[in-house]
Amino acid sequence: DARVTQTPRHKVTEMGQEVTMRCQPILGHNTVFWYRQTMMQGLELLAYFRNRAPLDDSGMPKDRFSAEMPDATLATLKIQPSEPRDSAVYFCASGLTAGSFYNEQFFGPGTRLTVL
Amino acid sequence: GQNIDQPTEMTATEGAIVQINCTYQTSGFNGLFWYQQHAGEAPTFLSYNVLDGLEEKGRFSSFLSRSKGYSYLLLKELQMKDSASYLCAVRDGAGNNRKLIWGLGTSLAVNP
Repeated sequence: DARVTQTPRHKVTEMGQEVTMRCQPILGHNTVFWYRQTMMQGLELLAYFRNRAPLDDSGMPKDRFSAEMPDATLATLKIQPSEPRDSAVYFCASGLTAGSFYNEQFFGPGTRLTVL
Repeated sequence: GQNIDQPTEMTATEGAIVQINCTYQTSGFNGLFWYQQHAGEAPTFLSYNVLDGLEEKGRFSSFLSRSKGYSYLLLKELQMKDSASYLCAVRDGAGNNRKLIWGLGTSLAVNP
């Protein structure tokens, strides 16, 4: 049963601390997305990668957020320094894009981040 | 600008039929998705429409009218487990820049 995995599932930290979230996409998927979800804003796309190359990170605050894919099995989202307004659920999703055909996205369970 | 509108909340009775509407205004269009999200869980894929018309999948159906910028999700024979948030998302852009623009979701409560 192929699934997207994310760690940690929950994170409570203090303002100013660094937070790193990890995602393992489904094996064989070539597209990875990072989302942030809050009650007020809904799902916001932060960044996405295709074949490990960053294609769009326009939704990400560049001064404190960074996203990378060191290899095909790992995507990371880092916040440094964290702020209380970063408190949200962060989802990673993966999918398979082949040519002009685009499949659905498969979401991981999310990381619930609380910044005090 | 990019905009997706759906009702915030809906209530329905077990066994009934409910229709959740979604209207969109996006700079491009390459398909519309519906996702279901139970409280505290991740979104899961329900349906995909890229051409006008109705797509049926069991108790769930999704309709698209591209000329009107409109879609709906139809849930039949409602069950208590259908209580969830339903998210409408439009695939915008072309080429390598294909991303989903998401609505805020419609929270559906199914009552006995």
